[in-house]
Amino acid sequence: KAGVTQTPRYLIKTRGQQVTLSCSPISGHRSVSWYQQTPGQGLQFLFEYFSETQRNKGNFPGRFSGRQFSNSRSEMNVSTLELGDSALYLCASSLTVPNSPLHFGNGTRLTVT
Amino acid sequence: AQKVTQAQTEISVVEKEDVTLDCVYETRDTTYYLFWYKQPPSGELVFLIRRNSFDEQNEISGRYSWNFQKSTSSFNFTITASQVVDSAVYFCALSEEEGKLIFGQGTELSVKP
Repeated sequence: KAGVTQTPRYLIKTRGQQVTLSCSPISGHRSVSWYQQTPGQGLQFLFEYFSETQRNKGNFPGRFSGRQFSNSRSEMNVSTLELGDSALYLCASSLTVPNSPLHFGNGTRLTVT
Repeated sequence: AQKVTQAQTEISVVEKEDVTLDCVYETRDTTYYLFWYKQPPSGELVFLIRRNSFDEQNEISGRYSWNFQKSTSSFNFTITASQVVDSAVYFCALSEEEGKLIFGQGTELSVKP
């Protein structure tokens, strides 16, 4: 079974631009979550989607948004990029059984210059 | 407020030594789940174990063992006879809502030959 796939692996953007990251979950997984990892703040929850609906959201500004498609694939978008948005963005998928373990992708390394 | 504390930022051991990674959590809920994840240099978070708040039985899986003590709000992880391949950052996490994990800051384990 293929794991969680995130594209692209690396991205370099300029302040003020916007970026879209993509995540394909494990087949059969309908819940997709996004996390931001930085050296200073560690791993922080961004949001979680299930059946195209956002069920949970972390404490991030509105510049961070996401969506999920009918095939469970998900995208997250960051608008008006700031230097502090440089981070590893991790996507995870899980089964619909409550509190199933999250299975993470390799992440997208975003650098904002 | 939910919180996970991993007091050990870095641990360095020599191969074949036993090592214990500490995890202390805070939550007001009576129902919650605890997890351990491993993050090798590749960046992907690898699921190791899930434990729910009603199951205090310790678990052993090969060289890995986990000690869950509700009375002290701790969920410690021991690697017996450590190997170089165990070198990674290990994260303890707490879950109360679907897809949303509260991570500790991580413990970087270095196993030297």
